Amino acid sequence: DAKTTQPTSMDCAEGRAANLPCNHSTISGNEYVYWYRQIHSQGPQYIIHGLKNNETNEMASLIITEDRKSSTLILPHATLRDTAVYYCIALSGNTGKLIFGQGTTLQVKP
Amino acid sequence: SAVISQKPSRDICQRGTSLTIQCQVDSQVTMMFWYRQQPGQSLTLIATANQGSEATYESGFVIDKFPISRPNLTFSTLTVSNMSPEDSSIYLCSASGGMRETQYFGPGTRLLVL
Repeated sequence: DAKTTQPTSMDCAEGRAANLPCNHSTISGNEYVYWYRQIHSQGPQYIIHGLKNNETNEMASLIITEDRKSSTLILPHATLRDTAVYYCIALSGNTGKLIFGQGTTLQVKP
Repeated sequence: SAVISQKPSRDICQRGTSLTIQCQVDSQVTMMFWYRQQPGQSLTLIATANQGSEATYESGFVIDKFPISRPNLTFSTLTVSNMSPEDSSIYLCSASGGMRETQYFGPGTRLLVL
């Protein structure tokens, strides 16, 4: 399972875009990039995932570099309710297991 | 997406006792997982529970301490046995339709061992 590296913490102003980076330089061809967030010790919430193409849904956009060694999660208009720990995870298509790192604590400020 | 519930939502237990946590999914799923989240820490995978087979445990976790049942495609239990204060954590279950499918998580069970 590929290891991911994220900044420990980030701040974002309310209403601005939050761009959360993730490095996964050892990711293999069958590993998906998944993003989850956890708000105040609730169960992790699925946000978005991708393999090699950029993806967008109602919550966020995911930009994956062409070499797949890094990605960026974009929350287009951050609100105070987006304050959470964000986890970037490489999901192995061989095992289906999610191995969580420490994630990025995003603080959205008024 | 699957909706997952857990019982109990929280409990306070005495050391040396055992607690069984239930995880119910609103649809049939292939894979279920159990995680532990110690205070201030990230999630750690305990085991994978697939219906019809023994649970597969991650390094550092053993069946005697964390026995798991998976009697059907919508339900699983995790027992925390012979508890000590170090077992105080949030225990979470998740479920997915397969190895390449999205996992969805339950709300967690908050356990405090005195």
